[in-house]
Amino acid sequence: EAQVTQNPRYLITVTGKKLTVTCSQNMNHEYMSWYRQDPGLGLRQIYYSMNVEVTDKGDVPEGYKVSRKEKRNFPLILESPSPNQTSLYFCASSLYPWGRRIMNTEAFFGQGTRLTVV
Amino acid sequence: QQQVKQSPQSLIVQKGGISIINCAYENTAFDYFPWYQQFPGKGPALLIAIRPDVSEKKEGRFTISFNKSAKQFSLHIMDSQPGDSATYFCAASGVIQGAQKLVFGQGTRLTINP
Repeated sequence: EAQVTQNPRYLITVTGKKLTVTCSQNMNHEYMSWYRQDPGLGLRQIYYSMNVEVTDKGDVPEGYKVSRKEKRNFPLILESPSPNQTSLYFCASSLYPWGRRIMNTEAFFGQGTRLTVV
Repeated sequence: QQQVKQSPQSLIVQKGGISIINCAYENTAFDYFPWYQQFPGKGPALLIAIRPDVSEKKEGRFTISFNKSAKQFSLHIMDSQPGDSATYFCAASGVIQGAQKLVFGQGTRLTINP
């Protein structure tokens, strides 16, 4: 089954304690991205990756890091989490970057990780 | 310039009625406009999408209407059903300042009353 898998689904942590949220896709997609979802703000892009070893900032990258050492994995790292990073996080992947003039640019999303930083 | 504004924030419709959600964008570099549907506890999933060279796209009960000159697009759900109750996000995609972008609206929580 084609899917994007995030772990953990729920996480409560304390301010300053480093954490990693994992994301893995089994569709051989090149393009992966992280979003955070907050009430009234929709989904905002944190970081994205066009391919292995190629990453770039999205709209709200402060306080986050990513890496893309393998095509299937795209972990999100919070080196020193703060309460304003409490949010619902989604990893997404697609075969091609969004916006290219071809039909198949659907983004597949994981189930989400609800993070609480106290 | 990169914003996509979505309204209303929440919407209640009776079963069998028409649900309408509106979105507006500013940047004319956007050239792909998808709608995503999200059920509680799940990630968003692509519902329907349109490119600006057509004014309307219909898939079953779901229709996107697109007005390029006004930079607006909307989702119409005909014969709305309780199973359509979900959060809906419009989005706009394109190459902005050399980078691939997919920008989402704020979301609309739709409730269909039986």
